[in-house]
Order: sequence, then structure tokens, then C-alpha cells
Amino acid sequence: DVKVTQSSRYLVKRTGEKVFLECVQDMDHENMFWYRQDPGLGLRLIYFSYDVKMKEKGDIPEGYSVSREKKERFSLILESASTNQTSMYLCASFPGTENYGYTFGSGTRLTVV
Amino acid sequence: GDSVTQMEGPVTLSEEAFLTINCTYTATGYPSLFWYVQYPGEGLQLLLKATKADDKGSNKGFEATYRKETTSFHLEKGSVQVSDSAVYFCALSEGETSGSRLTFGEGTQLTVNP
Repeated sequence: DVKVTQSSRYLVKRTGEKVFLECVQDMDHENMFWYRQDPGLGLRLIYFSYDVKMKEKGDIPEGYSVSREKKERFSLILESASTNQTSMYLCASFPGTENYGYTFGSGTRLTVV
Repeated sequence: GDSVTQMEGPVTLSEEAFLTINCTYTATGYPSLFWYVQYPGEGLQLLLKATKADDKGSNKGFEATYRKETTSFHLEKGSVQVSDSAVYFCALSEGETSGSRLTFGEGTQLTVNP
């Protein structure tokens, strides 16, 4: 089975800190995605990547950046964390061909204090 | 742009009750439609999908039919179990394959009581 691993389940960071959320997939998928999940808002796409060193903005990229230096790893960066970035962050991957949908990681619950 | 609207939650049912969670969508083309489920403390898992009009997706006793005329993809199950308690998300993708970016609904929290 494809596995998508997010490095931390829970994180607490201070306002203004630079925060790195890491995501690794083990099935050579081209496509990787970062979503944030908030009650009543569902999942909103922050950034995605279709290939190494390639990135595209999603619907809510402000305050975030991403890095994809290797195919298996897709990092989400909060340049200067703010309290409104407290959320659940979900990473997903997808091979780019007809399949059974995205594979999601277990999520990182980030609290910014 | 594309959008997905789910029925307001939360939904609370007794075991063996019939479940319907409504989902309607707006899309410019002919999207693929999905239902994902999120169990407590976990990420999302694909529950079922349909890629064209009148397709029925099914899995674990859940079903949903792609209705182009009503732009709907309602989730149903004839007899729910306590283990079905979770958050359910309806989603669509405009890509020709099952991939490209997904647009999600707000999610519906389902609680099933014994």
C-alpha cells in the first residue's frame, strides 16, 4: 500500500517562528498536495506540486511556501507563523494516472500561540 | 469556479438506521466525484468514486450515484454501524483522470449510537 507520512502529529509553535511541515510518500508519485482542514470549511488547497522543483499555488497560499527537492518529499513552510494558521494540515499524493484517488497522510495538528 | 456543497451536520443516528448525506456540485465540465471518510485521529481515505453520469460507486455498504441532471452525488447506506462514525467529505475533480486537484465540501460529521 502507498504510504504518506507526515513527520509530526502535533506541533506547538510561537507566533513569528518559521515552521516546517514535512511529508514523505513511498510510491514514486508525481503529484503531491498540501491542504488545511478547518471546521465548517472542509479542506482548502494551499500548494501542490506535479514534479520535482515544481510548485503551484492553490486557493490559500498566502503566508505559506513549499519545497520539493526530491520526488518523495514535499515540505510546507510557514515563513512567520501566525495564530490564524492554527489548523490541521493534511498532505496527499497521487500518481497522475487513473487510480483510486489521493492517498492522505494522518495530518499534523499545528497550534500557534 | 468549482464548488461542492454538503448537507449541514452533524448527523446523529441509531445503529441500523438508514443514512443519507446530500452532496451537490457546481462544475464547468464533467467532473469525477468522490466520497472520502475521515475516522477520528486519521487522514482521509477514499470511500468510493464515480467518473461519469449514472455511474454508481459502492464500498463497505455505502453507495452514491452520479446524477448529472441534478448535479448531485448523495451518499447512502442502508444500515449504519457504530464503526461508521466519522467525518464524510464529498469532492470533485475536473481532471480527465481521477487526479488533478480535488475540491472538497465542508464535511459532515456522522455519529452512530448503539
